[in-house]
Amino acid sequence: QVQLVQSGAEVKNPGASVKVSCKTSGYTFSGYYIHWVRQAPGQGLEWMGWINPNSGGTNYAQKFQGSVTLTRDTSISTFYMELSTLRSDDTAVYYCARRGAVASKFDYWGQGTQVTVSS
Amino acid sequence: DIQMTQSPSSLSASVGDRVTITCRASQSISSYLNWYQQKPGKAPKLLIYAASGLESGVPPRFSGSGSGTDFTLTISSLQPEDFATYYCQQTYNTLGEITFGPGTKVDTK
Repeated sequence: QVQLVQSGAEVKNPGASVKVSCKTSGYTFSGYYIHWVRQAPGQGLEWMGWINPNSGGTNYAQKFQGSVTLTRDTSISTFYMELSTLRSDDTAVYYCARRGAVASKFDYWGQGTQVTVSS
Repeated sequence: DIQMTQSPSSLSASVGDRVTITCRASQSISSYLNWYQQKPGKAPKLLIYAASGLESGVPPRFSGSGSGTDFTLTISSLQPEDFATYYCQQTYNTLGEITFGPGTKVDTK
C-alpha cells in the first residue's frame, strides 16, 4: 500500500534551518511528483512547492522562493524539505503529499511533521 | 495568482442534514478543483477530484459540481464522522502555483 512516512517533530531556534524527510513506499517512486504543504496553528493549508522525482526539478510558491529547498534521494525513495532562516511564524505542521495521476489531486499524504520555532 | 474563497467559513448542522459548501476561484480554472476533508490532528483526505470525481473509497453521500469559477461540495446526509473542516484546492496550472481555499468548518448544531 502507498505510504508516505515523515520524520519526527522538531524544535528550532529562530534563524536556524530545518530539514523534514518524507519516505515513500508502495508505488513507483519515479512516477509521481511530491508536493509540500504547511498548516500553521489554527490556520488553513498553504502550498509550498513541488519536486519532480525524476529530474529533481522544483517549483516553489513565490512566498517561499529563496527560503525553501526541495530535494530527493532516489536510492532510498525519500524526499526532503529544508526551510532556512526560520521565524516564529514558520511554526506549523508540514505535510508531504503525492500528486496523483489524474487532475493533480493530492491522493496520499504524510502524517505531518510539527516544526516549532522558539527561542 | 489564482485566489480561492469559500463560503460559509463555518456552519452548524445536524446528523442527516444536507450540507452545501461553495468555493469560488478568482479566474476560470475549468474543472481543476479538488475537495479535501481534514479532522483535527490529521492530514487532509481527498474526497473529490476534478470538480466532480469521487475518490475511491469515499462514500457516495459526498458529491461535487461546478466548472469555471464556481464549485460546490454537497454532503447529502451528514453523518457523525463528517464533522470536520473542508478545503477546496485549485490545480489549474499543473506546474505552477496551487492554492487552497480558506476552509469551511462543519460542526454540530
